[in-house]
Amino acid sequence: EAGVAQSPRYKIIEKRQSVAFWCNPISGHATLYWYQQILGQGPKLLIQFQNNGVVDDSQLPKDRFSAERLKGVDSTLKIQPAKLEDSAVYLCATGVAYFTDTQYFGPGTRLTVL
Amino acid sequence: GESVGLHLPTLSVQEGDNSIINCAYSNSASDYFIWYKQESGKGPQFIIDIRSNMDKRQGQRVTVLLNKTVKHLSLQIAATQPGDSAVYFCAEKGGAGGTSYGKLTFGQGTILTVHP
Repeated sequence: EAGVAQSPRYKIIEKRQSVAFWCNPISGHATLYWYQQILGQGPKLLIQFQNNGVVDDSQLPKDRFSAERLKGVDSTLKIQPAKLEDSAVYLCATGVAYFTDTQYFGPGTRLTVL
Repeated sequence: GESVGLHLPTLSVQEGDNSIINCAYSNSASDYFIWYKQESGKGPQFIIDIRSNMDKRQGQRVTVLLNKTVKHLSLQIAATQPGDSAVYFCAEKGGAGGTSYGKLTFGQGTILTVHP
């Protein structure tokens, strides 16, 4: 079974630029999560989807971050404009069902904002 | 790749020793707990989980112990191998009735280094 795919793996941008990350979940997984992992810390949830609907985006900085999962499969996370403190690894995780399932993580995208 | 655990607690063991990694959780309403292993440059990998109605669960070379009285979780790795070197995170999922219902909250993490 293929795992969660993410791209790009690395991205370097300057502050105030825009960036987008892509996630392809494990086939059949209805739930999808985006996490931010700052160096030296555990992952922090940004947004959670159930199929193509948002379940929880309470920790997403909505003035600069946006995410979508239009067809209930792939998802994109965008930052516009980026700040220095956005430098982190952005992890996508998916699960079979909401509340009942282990989350399976992708390899992440390492973002460096200069 | 660059380690994600530069400022985390560390545990160094010799190959073949048993390792115990501890975690204190904060939410008494959490009903599901997971241990993840994260190697450098990779996403967290599921190791073992336990529900709040249990106090012990065993897997292959790993055992998770849950003490709800003191809100403590531990991961025991038997016969630790160099391939076990990684950052280990505990995570808790909020149970019904709490503000973190269904959310996975990660602990600080511990760097495990296994010396051959």
